[in-house]
Amino acid sequence: TQLLEQSPQFLSIQEGENLTVYCNSSSVFSSLQWYRQEPGEGPVLLVTVVTGGEVKKLKRLTFQFGDARKDSSLHITAAQPGDTGLYLCAGFLHTDKLIFGTGTRLQVFP
Amino acid sequence: NAGVTQTPKFQVLKTGQSMTLQCAQDMNHNSMYWYRQDPGMGLRLIYYSASEGTTDKGEVPNGYNVSRLNKREFSLRLESAAPSQTSVYFCATARGWTNTGELFFGEGSRLTVL
Repeated sequence: TQLLEQSPQFLSIQEGENLTVYCNSSSVFSSLQWYRQEPGEGPVLLVTVVTGGEVKKLKRLTFQFGDARKDSSLHITAAQPGDTGLYLCAGFLHTDKLIFGTGTRLQVFP
Repeated sequence: NAGVTQTPKFQVLKTGQSMTLQCAQDMNHNSMYWYRQDPGMGLRLIYYSASEGTTDKGEVPNGYNVSRLNKREFSLRLESAAPSQTSVYFCATARGWTNTGELFFGEGSRLTVL
C-alpha cells in the first residue's frame, strides 16, 4: 500500500465539466506537490503547496492543501481535452524524500 | 542540454539475470532519485541520494542496489531480476536540500523480466 491514496483512480468526463481529485494520507507532509504525466514521458510539476490551508490557482486548476497537511485536492473547472493525463500528488516526508500518490487518470472527451 | 538521460530505454531480461540502469544529469543538481511505475499506477520510490556520497532507502528498496558514482551519475542495479520487477523505471533529479524542490524526470527505462 502507498502512503498517499488518490481518488478517484479513473475519471472520464465531457469537455466543459468540472472535477475534483483527492489526495489523502494518515501522515503529515512538510509540503505537497501535484504533477501531470503524459504517456511515455516523466511527470511534470504543476504546483507546490507548503502551508496548511493554502490555496493556489493555475488558470483553470485550483489546488488546496489541507489544514492538517495530510491531504490535498485538485479542482479543474471547465475541463478541456488538453487536460487529459495522469495526475499525481506527491509529498515530502522530510527534506529530499518525495513519495508519490497512486495516481488519477483523467480522460476528457470533446 | 540533455537534462536527465537514462540508459537503456528498453531491456528484456530472464529471471535471475543482472543488469544496471544508468542515469546521468547535466543540471548540476544535488539530489537524485530512482522510482518505479507499474501499469496505471503512481510512482514508488526505490532509493534516493540527497548528495554525492549518500544514498537512502525509499518505499520499495528490496531487490535493488544503487551507486551515486559522482554528482552527475546515479545507477540502479538489479542483482537477480524477478518478474515482479517488470516495470518502467524513472530517474529524477532536484536541486536538493529542500522540501519544496521540483523534480525533473528522465524519459524512463522499460524493463521486462521473463
